[in-house]
Amino acid sequence: AQSVAQPEDQVNVAEGNPLTVKCTYSVSGNPYLFWYVQYPNRGLQFLLKYITGDNLVKGSYGFEAEFNKSQTSFHLKKPSALVSDSALYFCAVRRANQAGTALIFGKGTTLSVSS
Amino acid sequence: IAGITQAPTSQILAAGRRMTLRCTQDMRHNAMYWYRQDLGLGLRLIHYSNTAGTTGKGEVPDGYSVSRANTDDFPLTLASAVPSQTSVYFCASSSQGRAEAFFGQGTRLTVV
Repeated sequence: AQSVAQPEDQVNVAEGNPLTVKCTYSVSGNPYLFWYVQYPNRGLQFLLKYITGDNLVKGSYGFEAEFNKSQTSFHLKKPSALVSDSALYFCAVRRANQAGTALIFGKGTTLSVSS
Repeated sequence: IAGITQAPTSQILAAGRRMTLRCTQDMRHNAMYWYRQDLGLGLRLIHYSNTAGTTGKGEVPDGYSVSRANTDDFPLTLASAVPSQTSVYFCASSSQGRAEAFFGQGTRLTVV
């Protein structure tokens, strides 16, 4: 069975500091990994994905994530946080090469960036 | 603008009533999904459809049914609503060639 763990319910950082939102996963076979962001009263917006290739993936709004197969992790990072980055972040996984397989989500991490 | 449209955006429903949440996409995606979002639980898959004419059960299917008569529409029906079905419901879709899913804006349902 596939699963995703986001060990931190909330992450607090000061504006301008680097941020990391942690994600670990469990899946049989190779994973496809995703990060989504949700602003209040909105749907989920796709940020970035890892399918294959370079372990460091760059996405929208300056975010990046590093795939680490040995640690089964896919942590979201940004070098310099903005107050506007404050939102709810979800990590998700699906099994590779299975068309239409649904994404399985973690419980989410609330990022709070203070000015 | 291409995307996913959900209706209604919000609804207060009496327990025991039947309700259908509508979802339409214009991206010609093969696969569609229904998730519910609850505080502290993240998003949980209710039902999915890999292609028109087929559906499958997700993690929390009890009390819900779906149909996929065509590519664009994927309605979710609560046959007899209960208060535990109070949640925010998201419809999503994905194409065969892309791994990520695209989400609608959600339906906030309150069952009283």
